Amino acid sequence: ELVESGGALEQPGGSLRLSCLTSGFAFSIYTMSWVRQAPGKGLEWLASINSNADTIFYADSVRGRFTLSRDNAKDSLYLHLSSLRVEDTAVYYCVRLNHFHGSGKLDFWGPGTLVTVSS
Amino acid sequence: SYALTQPPSVSVAPRQTARITCGGSDIGSKNVHWYQQKPGQAPVLVVYDDSARPSGIPERFSGSNSGNTAALTISRVEAGDEADYYCQVWQNNHDHVVFGGGTKLTVL
Repeated sequence: ELVESGGALEQPGGSLRLSCLTSGFAFSIYTMSWVRQAPGKGLEWLASINSNADTIFYADSVRGRFTLSRDNAKDSLYLHLSSLRVEDTAVYYCVRLNHFHGSGKLDFWGPGTLVTVSS
Repeated sequence: SYALTQPPSVSVAPRQTARITCGGSDIGSKNVHWYQQKPGQAPVLVVYDDSARPSGIPERFSGSNSGNTAALTISRVEAGDEADYYCQVWQNNHDHVVFGGGTKLTVL
């Protein structure tokens, strides 16, 4: 199970920290990702972090503003959002990326947490 | 950057077959995954690695992938299949995930 938290209404230029608490699987061996969906729009991959956190990739749209991290001792994933823009308004999903056997499938999703950026 | 192209919408009558395509350069060399998303819900994986089904997904859902086109086929479509469907690949050399733009399936 994946459960996100931390979504809120924030002003442009502000910051938020999203958390994802996981259970029911060996969190420490999986690459994890965040995906977002703006209202009425499609899915947008944001960032991925490998199992020991030594490799992190970001989408161009958030690189330099968002920071992905994880705590394997707490089975948790985090996304720090800064310099928020109105266009960052979206539901943010925590997702398990199953990279074994070269698959790359996103096989478990949290229910999502809503971030609204507005003045 | 790599791009995936889906038709915005597909319509089908109940009990007929729906085919949703996903176009990409040499997509046949990649593993393609498909997700179903109903309004207000998180996406659900329905086909992975081109044609495999997770447990609990009906056999009516199948996938194929060759050349520059992957496809999700839904046989004997039911009203409950009405949803948005997304294809996805993983660029494992950059750990990047790429989604298609999504296809809205309407059951007439």
